[in-house]
Amino acid sequence: DTGVSQDPRHKITKRGQNVTFRCDPISEHNRLYWYRQTLGQGPEFLTYFQNEAQLEKSRLLSDRFSAERPKGSFSTLEIQRTEQGDSAMYLCASSLGREETQYFGPGTRLLVL
Amino acid sequence: GNSVTQMEGPVTLSEEAFLTINCTYTATGYPSLFWYVQYPGEGLQLLLKATKADDKGSNKGFEATYRKETTSFHLEKGSVQVSDSAVYFCALSDMEPDNFNKFYFGSGTKLNVKP
Repeated sequence: DTGVSQDPRHKITKRGQNVTFRCDPISEHNRLYWYRQTLGQGPEFLTYFQNEAQLEKSRLLSDRFSAERPKGSFSTLEIQRTEQGDSAMYLCASSLGREETQYFGPGTRLLVL
Repeated sequence: GNSVTQMEGPVTLSEEAFLTINCTYTATGYPSLFWYVQYPGEGLQLLLKATKADDKGSNKGFEATYRKETTSFHLEKGSVQVSDSAVYFCALSDMEPDNFNKFYFGSGTKLNVKP
């Protein structure tokens, strides 16, 4: 157990619905990352927060995706108007300061029907 | 740009066999290199890392050496166990202009160890 938690662990939704995922990083970690992992592939970077500021977003993050980290602690990732192509594992990771190692949560597996 | 290439799996071995999973990388800067392991239904766990050329990372009997001349970071273990069955990801971390470490992952190699 790395200390990063994610909720829910699984989500099944119908195309067009909105979904929101939550990530709670290791408590003292100021950096938080979201990744997407599709079947048989490695994680792909989506976005990065330092404290409450979202400093980097991947081109993978379309306008339907939004992420927040309002108080620099937990983070939410929302997908609006879900599409079948959004089906994937969404992983959250956190790190402390300049420490390179990122610690991953168990992920939220999304299935869009 | 930055990228990581891993050998395709699955790799199937008998218990106590020697393991090698190949990983090569392309990087624009001076990256750190990592191996992460993912057990079924779980997130990624750090297995080992190396931050500069010729460094050797090791943990739980696994080893990997950062080879700049061959741009490789192959994972090895002398004697695998059934409990090592998992998916192994090679990754590099490079400093982005806005001062954060962006990870680039390989596609993963599934290891099956039979008793």
